[in-house]
Amino acid sequence: DVKVTQSSRYLVKRTGEKVFLECVQDMDHENMFWYRQDPGLGLRLIYFSYDVKMKEKGDIPEGYSVSREKKERFSLILESASTNQTSMYLCASSISGRPDREQFFGPGTRLTVL
Amino acid sequence: AQSVTQPDIHITVSEGASLELRCNYSYGATPYLFWYVQSPGQGLQLLLKYFSGDTLVQGIKGFEAEFKRSQSSFNLRKPSVHWSDAAEYFCAVVGRRGGATNKLIFGTGTLLAVQP
Repeated sequence: DVKVTQSSRYLVKRTGEKVFLECVQDMDHENMFWYRQDPGLGLRLIYFSYDVKMKEKGDIPEGYSVSREKKERFSLILESASTNQTSMYLCASSISGRPDREQFFGPGTRLTVL
Repeated sequence: AQSVTQPDIHITVSEGASLELRCNYSYGATPYLFWYVQSPGQGLQLLLKYFSGDTLVQGIKGFEAEFKRSQSSFNLRKPSVHWSDAAEYFCAVVGRRGGATNKLIFGTGTLLAVQP
């Protein structure tokens, strides 16, 4: 089975801190994604990556950056955390960019910014 | 632009009753459609998907969905709900074809509660 792991289930940070959220997949998938999930808004795509060192903005990239130095690892970075970035963050991966390919999700990181 | 609408934010059903969760999409061509489920404290799991062919698709956990092009709908159904089906359900459509990635657009979700 595909496994997508996220470094923390719960995280509490202070306003202005630099925050790293880590995601690792173990199935040699090409594509990786970062979403944030908020009540009443569903999942919104922040960034995605289709190859090592390749990335593309999603629908809500402001305030975030990403890094993919190795194929299995995709990091989300909050350069200066703000309270409006308090949310659930979900990482996902898929084997390729074909539209019929399933995305596999990690368990999520619930981030609170105080 | 592509979009997905799930008109029901919250639904409560009794255990053993039938279930239908609604999903409407907006897409110019034949869509690639998915239903995912998120159990409390967990990530999303794929229930089923539709790309072409038979418009009634079977998924895991006894779920099925029917694609109706004329109504732009892809409703999820289950004939008899179990208490373990309590979760949040998301409908999604692939928002972009070609290129390097399969970008999904999600609905806002339907939270299902199951009464004993």
